[in-house]
Amino acid sequence: EAEVAQSPRYKITEKSQAVAFWCDPISGHATLYWYRQILGQGPELLVQFQDESVVDDSQLPKDRFSAERLKGVDSTLKIQPAELGDSAMYLCASSPLPGLAGNEQFFGPGTRLTVL
Amino acid sequence: GEDVEQSLFLSVREGDSSVINCTYTDSSSTYLYWYKQEPGAGLQLLTYIFSNMDMKQDQRLTVLLNKKDKHLSLRIADTQTGDSAIYFCAESPPSGTYKYIFGTGTRLKVLA
Repeated sequence: EAEVAQSPRYKITEKSQAVAFWCDPISGHATLYWYRQILGQGPELLVQFQDESVVDDSQLPKDRFSAERLKGVDSTLKIQPAELGDSAMYLCASSPLPGLAGNEQFFGPGTRLTVL
Repeated sequence: GEDVEQSLFLSVREGDSSVINCTYTDSSSTYLYWYKQEPGAGLQLLTYIFSNMDMKQDQRLTVLLNKKDKHLSLRIADTQTGDSAIYFCAESPPSGTYKYIFGTGTRLKVLA
């Protein structure tokens, strides 16, 4: 069964360091999402791609976060420099073209980031 | 702004029914979803309902939608220990990007 892949699964870093997370969506899914889930809360959308283009990054802290999906397939989310408040689970999801019934988003297992 | 609200915890005995409630924010949301998250894992879609429906049943799951009150509920019949998880409702307002807005999550604990 096709799945969304993410790596690493866990990352521990010190504040002010740079970190990067990778996501490989389900083959053929045009839309890719990065979410941040703080412990005890629901996921919050950081950035949404349609193919290689950003369609929503309104909640992305652009002074330290960046995201790219250069070839419209896999994607990287980077934080530089990391801050203590960035400790969270970072979830990647993908979906077929929007507009299909239900627009189900398929989630990866997430990367748990701990900033010390 | 408003949040998608859920109660934080629910505890039920194995074999009983569970009802998880959600109040969403945008009455024009086209689809409403229920996702399940097990410890340390990503989210798994359980079911969704289109906004022109009042009810949807899928095996042990029943979704009820009250658009007037912007209230969504998920009923799990014959709850099992494997149902212990966090349940998130999500709405998809007509923003043009089909983004989801998730609730805060309800932690369901099933007692044997």
